[in-house]
Amino acid sequence: DQQVKQNSPSLSVQEGRISILNCDYTNSMFDYFLWYKKYPAEGPTFLISISSIKDKNEDGRFTVFLNKSAKHLSLHIVPSQPGDSAVYFCAASVETSGSRLTFGEGTQLTVNP
Amino acid sequence: NAGVMQNPRHLVRRRGQEARLRCSPMKGHSHVYWYRQLPEEGLKFMVYLQKENIIDESGMPKERFSAEFPKEGPSILRIQQVVRGDSAAYFCASSLQGVNTEAFFGQGTRLTVV
Repeated sequence: DQQVKQNSPSLSVQEGRISILNCDYTNSMFDYFLWYKKYPAEGPTFLISISSIKDKNEDGRFTVFLNKSAKHLSLHIVPSQPGDSAVYFCAASVETSGSRLTFGEGTQLTVNP
Repeated sequence: NAGVMQNPRHLVRRRGQEARLRCSPMKGHSHVYWYRQLPEEGLKFMVYLQKENIIDESGMPKERFSAEFPKEGPSILRIQQVVRGDSAAYFCASSLQGVNTEAFFGQGTRLTVV
């Protein structure tokens, strides 16, 4: 039972354009959502998070949007840079489970110069 | 301020041997989580520990796997009698609080069972 799904295994964008990564979830108990970036042979690196009481959170080039009614969140990166090329994981947690995370399968983002 | 430290980075074991994976959380963090990433898959939760306590082990296989986080020293994930299917990347994460906060990951231990 995949409670967090990233339906696009890969995404390719041009440098300077916007990258939009999508994530859907099924568990309505999730109340905290995070995005991680991962390079090969390294651990995931935290990017940005959002609480379920908000619908948007912004940090520099990264913005996360949450649509609770649709159980959908997205990560926008603008402008995209070649160094952003990595696998991006969406993750979710339930307050009563501590910071235990349920991850999506990941989306490979490639930013072309 | 060192991040989450995992060792070894790479571990090769023959079938039937034991594997011990170590994780030192970030300074000040008392919540530790272990995840496993099988080839071509996302990260799957295994176990959540605080000092001397297992809080949630619902993601850990019932047999051969155990985890501890002693009062002193690193957290240990132990896999007894390894099989080829245990080959994966094992990641440890730590957090400052136990509730709705970001967890910081180590670089992982890549276990290969031959």
